[in-house]
Amino acid sequence: EAGVVQSPRYKIIEKKQPVAFWCNPISGHNTLYWYRQNLGQGPELLIRYENEEAVDDSQLPKDRFSAERLKGVDSTLKIQPAELGDSAVYLCASSLEQGGVGKLFFGSGTQLSVL
Amino acid sequence: QKEVEQNSGPLSVPEGAIASLNCTYSDRGSQSFFWYRQYSGKSPELIMFIYSNGDKEDGRFTAQLNKASQYVSLLIRDSQPSDSATYLCAVRHSNTDKLIFGTGTRLQVFP
Repeated sequence: EAGVVQSPRYKIIEKKQPVAFWCNPISGHNTLYWYRQNLGQGPELLIRYENEEAVDDSQLPKDRFSAERLKGVDSTLKIQPAELGDSAVYLCASSLEQGGVGKLFFGSGTQLSVL
Repeated sequence: QKEVEQNSGPLSVPEGAIASLNCTYSDRGSQSFFWYRQYSGKSPELIMFIYSNGDKEDGRFTAQLNKASQYVSLLIRDSQPSDSATYLCAVRHSNTDKLIFGTGTRLQVFP
């Protein structure tokens, strides 16, 4: 069974540029998460989807971040414009269970460097 | 006070010893607790979960939960160098259903 697939693996951009990350969850997993992990820290939730619906986006900086999950499968996370403080690893995860229970399967992440 | 607290380490143990990793949490209503392992440069991987007070064993891993003390721990028996990683404690918040991660404890197992 294929795991959670993310791309790109690495991204280097200059500040004020836009950037997008893509995620394909495990087949059949209706719940999808985007987390951000700074060096030496635990992952922090940005947004959680149940199918197409964003059920928790309280920590998504909506002035510059946006996300979508069309057809309840793949998801894209966008930052526009990027700031230096956005440098981090962006992790996508999916879960078979709804309600954010906690048994998450993570993708390999996208390491973003903003110069 | 952080919602989920862990000692960042590193915790160094010799091969074959028991490694004890600890985590405290602030939300008294939390009911679900998880341990994730994260190798350097890799993404987190779920290794244990526990919902009830007491011990839960899975192979060399034992999760321990004490809700009265708001404390959860992970014991790794017969530690191996391959267990060297960062161990993240995660707690499901009772009101928001959000999974809150601690900062992780780095474990080093030396031969």
